[in-house]
Amino acid sequence: ETGVTQTPRHLVMGMTNKKSLKCEQHLGHNAMYWYKQSAKKPLELMFVYSLEERVENNSVPSRFSPECPNSSHLFLHLHTLQPEDSALYLCASSQDLGGGYNEQFFGPGTRLTVL
Amino acid sequence: AQKVTQAQTEISVVEKEDVTLDCVYETRDTTYYLFWYKQPPSGELVFLIRRNSFDEQNEISGRYSWNFQKSTSSFNFTITASQVVDSAVYFCALSEAFNRDDKIIFGKGTRLHILP
Repeated sequence: ETGVTQTPRHLVMGMTNKKSLKCEQHLGHNAMYWYKQSAKKPLELMFVYSLEERVENNSVPSRFSPECPNSSHLFLHLHTLQPEDSALYLCASSQDLGGGYNEQFFGPGTRLTVL
Repeated sequence: AQKVTQAQTEISVVEKEDVTLDCVYETRDTTYYLFWYKQPPSGELVFLIRRNSFDEQNEISGRYSWNFQKSTSSFNFTITASQVVDSAVYFCALSEAFNRDDKIIFGKGTRLHILP
């Protein structure tokens, strides 16, 4: 138990559906992250939030829309996804931003399958 | 450019054997951080260690040890007397200390099977 929870753990959706992934951290951290983990590829950083402000968007398609209403919650809204978006989506948090000296704590992930 | 290479895609060893997971990195910065994370079947990445580029001392934590060698840009991870619970995917990662986008670059991971 890392103090970062994600729901749902599994999600199957069609290409025309709209769904949201939720992440909650109970660690009092100020920074939160979304990562995508595809089979046989390195983890890809998607979004970074610090104190509820987005500080990084790594050229992620607009069909992924993040939301950070407060420093404890992070959402990833999904719409009109493609089958290649099927992956494990991991949320993480760290005390603050700051290069590598703030280790990140990860949630268990949401396994997303797009049909 | 930053890069992390974990050449071993998958390793299988019998319980109680020692096993070393290799990690080679590339960076142009003189100040950087290296990490190892463990991803068990449950999915979450568990932080194991962080090492900064100025600290080349090897570290031991129970059955885990890490060998950092700047001369070969390697940060290898050894599990001594492996146990079935060590079965997981292990990721090596790199972060440049003053990068503006706070990015951690992960290797592709090594899947470790500990056979009973």
